[in-house]
Amino acid sequence: EVQLLESGGGLVQPGGSLRLSCAASGFTFSDYAMSWVRQTPGKGLEWISTIFYIATKTSYADSVRGRFTVSRDNSKNTLFLQMNSLRAEDTAIYFCAKFRSTTGWTTSDSWGQGTLVTVSS
Amino acid sequence: DIQMTQSPSTLSASVGDRVTITCRASQYISSWLAWYQQKPGKAPKLLIYEASSLETGVPSRFSGSGSGTEFALTISSLQPDDFATYYCQQYNSFPWTFGQGTKVEVK
Repeated sequence: EVQLLESGGGLVQPGGSLRLSCAASGFTFSDYAMSWVRQTPGKGLEWISTIFYIATKTSYADSVRGRFTVSRDNSKNTLFLQMNSLRAEDTAIYFCAKFRSTTGWTTSDSWGQGTLVTVSS
Repeated sequence: DIQMTQSPSTLSASVGDRVTITCRASQYISSWLAWYQQKPGKAPKLLIYEASSLETGVPSRFSGSGSGTEFALTISSLQPDDFATYYCQQYNSFPWTFGQGTKVEVK
């Protein structure tokens, strides 16, 4: 059974940093691209970033490019999101999600339960 | 960015009703469209991918249709477990974008 468990969320001041982790199990983590998606009551679901199984290939939303960095440690089956220069509008629940398949173009199927990030002074 | 527009925003229905939610993309996305179901406090659950392919384990009362810019999710006979919020998502190109959601509530 696929399991994705996010951690690292919490309260941080504007301008601060936070590192989210997503521990994966139940599938061959190194074979799958992974994504981060966040959700707020006001803006709904927002895709943040994707990292492919070749970790040098990444993509980011304009709203976070230059401030957030996605990475992965395939030896530890873990996905990361380093968030710097945090703003109030980054307040959201952050989900990690895996690609549905290892071949071809696809979307995310399994998602974690999410971790809450609150940016406030 | 590709904008995804869902309608309606809220849908009131009864158990056994046939329900259809529509999603329009602001530009051509072929069949690179997914539908998710989300319940309060839970992660989104993939129902449909590539516009009309049913995800494994999803009941056959759910179906997807459309291509290009116009898409629909249909629930053939609404069940108690189906009251939730539904989102469409395009994955034709980055940035992936989602519709604003359709809440299916009890009539």
